[in-house]
Amino acid sequence: EAGVTQFPSHSVIEKGQTVTLRCDPISGHDNLYWYRRVMGKEIKFLLHFVKESKQDESGMPNNRFLAERTGGTYSTLKVQPAELEDSGVYFCASSQTQGYGYTFGSGTRLTVV
Amino acid sequence: GQNIDQPTEMTATEGAIVQINCTYQTSGFNGLFWYQQHAGEAPTFLSYNVLDGLEEKGRFSSFLSRSKGYSYLLLKELQMKDSASYLCAVRDYISRRAGSYQLTFGKGTKLSVIP
Repeated sequence: EAGVTQFPSHSVIEKGQTVTLRCDPISGHDNLYWYRRVMGKEIKFLLHFVKESKQDESGMPNNRFLAERTGGTYSTLKVQPAELEDSGVYFCASSQTQGYGYTFGSGTRLTVV
Repeated sequence: GQNIDQPTEMTATEGAIVQINCTYQTSGFNGLFWYQQHAGEAPTFLSYNVLDGLEEKGRFSSFLSRSKGYSYLLLKELQMKDSASYLCAVRDYISRRAGSYQLTFGKGTKLSVIP
């Protein structure tokens, strides 16, 4: 089966611009998670979708970040406007069972200059 | 809050055995995962422990002691391809009300396997 796909793999944008990251989970996985790793830090949770609903968005850093999962399939994470501290690797993961069996994507490396 | 500690880097020789330790402090512990991540790639699942004891899977084994807040990943018969970062992650009931079981990660241990 196809794994979790993330697009783009790399993005370099200027401070103040908008960027949209996309995640295509494994087909049939209702649970979709976004995580982020900033330089030198650990991977941190951002939010969790169950189908199209936000189950937990306690990790979202501020209102410049907007995640959507219309139709319960792929998800997008928009950063608007981007700041320097948003640079890092954004991972998406999906699972069939909540809290177990995560499959991660390769991540999107975002660089804000 | 949650705190997970693991060594930053380790070096081991091809064919040898290496043990990567992980200590954690968390409330509502509900499972510990080990992931392997090669540079630029996705973290891939290695093992899962929720009860005390040893879980063995081929060349990889993982141990958990909940009373000590301690786990280790044991890699046997090391191969060059085992050079990677190894991530310890804990699942807990942080957001029980929200029904979410987010993972809390350590910073990872970069393992270098040398000939």
